[in-house]
Amino acid sequence: QVQLVQSGAEVKKPGASVKVSCKVSGHTLTELFVHWVRQAPGEGLEWMGGFHPEDGETIYAQKLRGRVTMTEDTSTDTAYMTLSSLRSADTAMYYCATEAAGKFDYWGQGTLVTVSS
Amino acid sequence: SYVLTQPPSVSVAPGKTARITCGGNNIATKSVHWYQQKPGQAPVLVIFFDSDRPSGIPERFSASNSGNTATLTVSRVEAGDEADYYCQVWDSSGDPWVFGGGTKLAVL
Repeated sequence: QVQLVQSGAEVKKPGASVKVSCKVSGHTLTELFVHWVRQAPGEGLEWMGGFHPEDGETIYAQKLRGRVTMTEDTSTDTAYMTLSSLRSADTAMYYCATEAAGKFDYWGQGTLVTVSS
Repeated sequence: SYVLTQPPSVSVAPGKTARITCGGNNIATKSVHWYQQKPGQAPVLVIFFDSDRPSGIPERFSASNSGNTATLTVSRVEAGDEADYYCQVWDSSGDPWVFGGGTKLAVL
């Protein structure tokens, strides 16, 4: 059984960056495709990015390109999502999830990122 | 980018059947996945590949996909089924992984 455990809540000022971690257990990170999905308060789910098997690389949602970076440390089975130039609209719960055959099978518990001056 | 359209809310009495739709252009040509999200919790996959259920998901949850509409059906609805439900597909244009706007299932 795959488990994803995310880092704790963050409060950031506008213009700053945030780095959220997602520790995988039950499988090694090399066996999984980790994606990131966010949810603004009271809003729906928004895909942010993840590994695209057909392209063979990590791809990002068009609206976030240039501000988001997703990396992995296979030595610790931990995935990371960094979002820069934060603005109030980035206030959201951020989830990591494993992707397989187009669906998201396992989800982390979420990390609340609050952007406020 | 591909667009998925869901009704904002659906209401149903306990014991009855709830149907939540997900509209998209020729959605029948895509695999549709459904997630349940209860307040304060992460989403949970309840249906994948149009109509398959992960282990541990009750048989009361079923789904179909035809034409321009996919439908999640919850039979013999219980109070514990009250949640937001999201459909999701993979599409080759624009952002590949796409979610519907979500539907709040209210149990009266």
